[in-house]
Amino acid sequence: SQTIHQWPATLVQPVGSPLSLECTVEGTSNPNLYWYRQAAGRGLQLLFYSVGIGQISSEVPQNLSASRPQDRQFILSSKKLLLSDSGFYLCAWSVGPYGYTFGSGTRLTVV
Amino acid sequence: DQQVKQNSPSLSVQEGRISILNCDYTNSMFDYFLWYKKYPAEGPTFLISISSIKDKNEDGRFTVFLNKSAKHLSLHIVPSQPGDSAVYFCAASETGTYKYIFGTGTRLKVLA
Repeated sequence: SQTIHQWPATLVQPVGSPLSLECTVEGTSNPNLYWYRQAAGRGLQLLFYSVGIGQISSEVPQNLSASRPQDRQFILSSKKLLLSDSGFYLCAWSVGPYGYTFGSGTRLTVV
Repeated sequence: DQQVKQNSPSLSVQEGRISILNCDYTNSMFDYFLWYKKYPAEGPTFLISISSIKDKNEDGRFTVFLNKSAKHLSLHIVPSQPGDSAVYFCAASETGTYKYIFGTGTRLKVLA
């Protein structure tokens, strides 16, 4: 069966520090992969999506970047975190147009 | 520009009664719609979907209605249970875009 792993579950980072959040999917090949952020009162905002290795589409100009070094691995990064980067980050995957399966999320607090 | 809107940030309903959650969209090219349920500190879980070729889809206590001319969909939960208390997100997608646009969510509280 397909599973999605996202870590860490919580993270507290100082302003200006780097960030790396990792997401891996098991049990499927060539999934579409997504990073969303839930910020207070903002719903689920799509940040990046990828339809294949090395293919990244950015939805919102920001301080973050994404990479897909392997078929089932998706990484969200930042060189220098801002206070406004705080939020709940969610990774998701799909293999068609009929919706996503989400990971359990990472609560990032930038202090 | 918010293409998917959930104008009610919160809703309280008595146990056993009907919960109606609403969602509006602006993009007429959207042709597939989903509802997700989310508990705090967890990822959203899929509830129910509807394609634009239908106007209703039912799964147990959950029914989604789609009014394409009004660009409006709604989720009905009957009967509501305390375990239904969560944040509900609607999402919409246009075929070929590989992505879903989510609304801001409605927090449902079912009172025992």
